Amino acid sequence: GENVEQHPSTLSVQEGDSAVIKCTYSDSASNYFPWYKQELGKRPQLIIDIRSNVGEKKDQRIAVTLNKTAKHFSLHITETQPEDSAVYFCAAKGMDTDKLIFGTGTRLQVFP
Amino acid sequence: GAVVSQHPSRVICKSGTSVKIECRSLDFQATTMFWYRQFPKQSLMLMATSNEGSKATYEQGVEKDKFLINHASLTLSTLTVTSAHPEDSSFYICSASFLNLQETQYFGPGTRLLVL
Repeated sequence: GENVEQHPSTLSVQEGDSAVIKCTYSDSASNYFPWYKQELGKRPQLIIDIRSNVGEKKDQRIAVTLNKTAKHFSLHITETQPEDSAVYFCAAKGMDTDKLIFGTGTRLQVFP
Repeated sequence: GAVVSQHPSRVICKSGTSVKIECRSLDFQATTMFWYRQFPKQSLMLMATSNEGSKATYEQGVEKDKFLINHASLTLSTLTVTSAHPEDSSFYICSASFLNLQETQYFGPGTRLLVL
């Protein structure tokens, strides 16, 4: 089955700096890769997603890149702000399933 | 759009009792609903997938007789934790997807269960 690895587990940056979180997946047939942000005690919120027919997608300060050959995808947050502090989860979905397999999460702290 | 609600938000119960958690899609018809469990500082672990009108599909290691799932309509799924024990204490989160955008899952706010 699909396996998703996520790094780093924690990330601390200064406000205004960029943050990058990386995920690798095992199933080459996976075709959908969302990123979720979860604040403490709250629901995961979809912040950006990418499908396998696209290499990069950007939404304001957030971007996701996908390298299908290497089976990895990354989340890029530019000009970080303290409110970006949260746990971020990547996920992958195989072609013949509805299930999302989640990474282990990255705790991002943005210091003012 | 794509709002998912969950009730109750938190529940405390005695060991041996059963607890029912409701998950509702408020502004769309959910073709599929998913139930996850999340322990502190851990990732989301899928428990089961349910489609309206059919039996839920449980992940390996999840006891279907202990975690009863009913998906009676396109807007409501329920998870009943039967004979709850302290080790069942966790954060239970549902999500839903709809026909035209089946890949995307929208999450409910979660239910924090504490079994004493």
